[in-house]
Amino acid sequence: DAEITQSPRHKITETGRQVTLACHQTWNHNNMFWYRQDLGHGLRLIHYSYGVQDTNKGEVSDGYSVSRSNTEDLPLTLESAASSQTSVYFCASSLAGAQETQYFGPGTRLLVL
Amino acid sequence: QKEVEQNSGPLSVPEGAIASLNCTYSDRGSQSFFWYRQYSGKSPELIMFIYSNGDKEDGRFTAQLNKASQYVSLLIRDSQPSDSATYLCAVKSGGGADGLTFGKGTHLIIQP
Repeated sequence: DAEITQSPRHKITETGRQVTLACHQTWNHNNMFWYRQDLGHGLRLIHYSYGVQDTNKGEVSDGYSVSRSNTEDLPLTLESAASSQTSVYFCASSLAGAQETQYFGPGTRLLVL
Repeated sequence: QKEVEQNSGPLSVPEGAIASLNCTYSDRGSQSFFWYRQYSGKSPELIMFIYSNGDKEDGRFTAQLNKASQYVSLLIRDSQPSDSATYLCAVKSGGGADGLTFGKGTHLIIQP
């Protein structure tokens, strides 16, 4: 069955380290997204991509980067982890189109000490 | 700044009753509206989407959209304890691959 997976599911890191969170989907969706979810803020968009070699900044992109080298993967990199980046991170994907529905991965819980 | 507002709750509803969840949005250009359910510690799961004014029914769920009032709601009929979760309203503006703007969610509790 087609699916969207994220790894690792849990991660503890230290301030200043580089961290990469993986997202892989087998639906052949063009569009992929990264969100973070924090108490009191809900889900907020970090970066998104509508195809290979395309990336765009979302609402809270500072300190994060993504790259899209194939259709299936959109890794999220925290260049120098900060305690403010402790959060739950969700990857999502959707088909191209004006009214596409997004489907979410299981999430990665990140703790920055 | 696009905003989506929901009452955080908790909203407590007796089993078998109708649960009514509401959402307002600020961007008049919004075109697509989604309701997601999220259980504690899990990822958001799509329940329904609606694009046109009026009602859309799917089983026990009915989504209602009023673009003039910038208001979207979700009704859950015959509420079950398994419906207890946080319900997220999400809005998408226009075409393209823009992400969704989410409300903070309403925590729904179905009392047996």
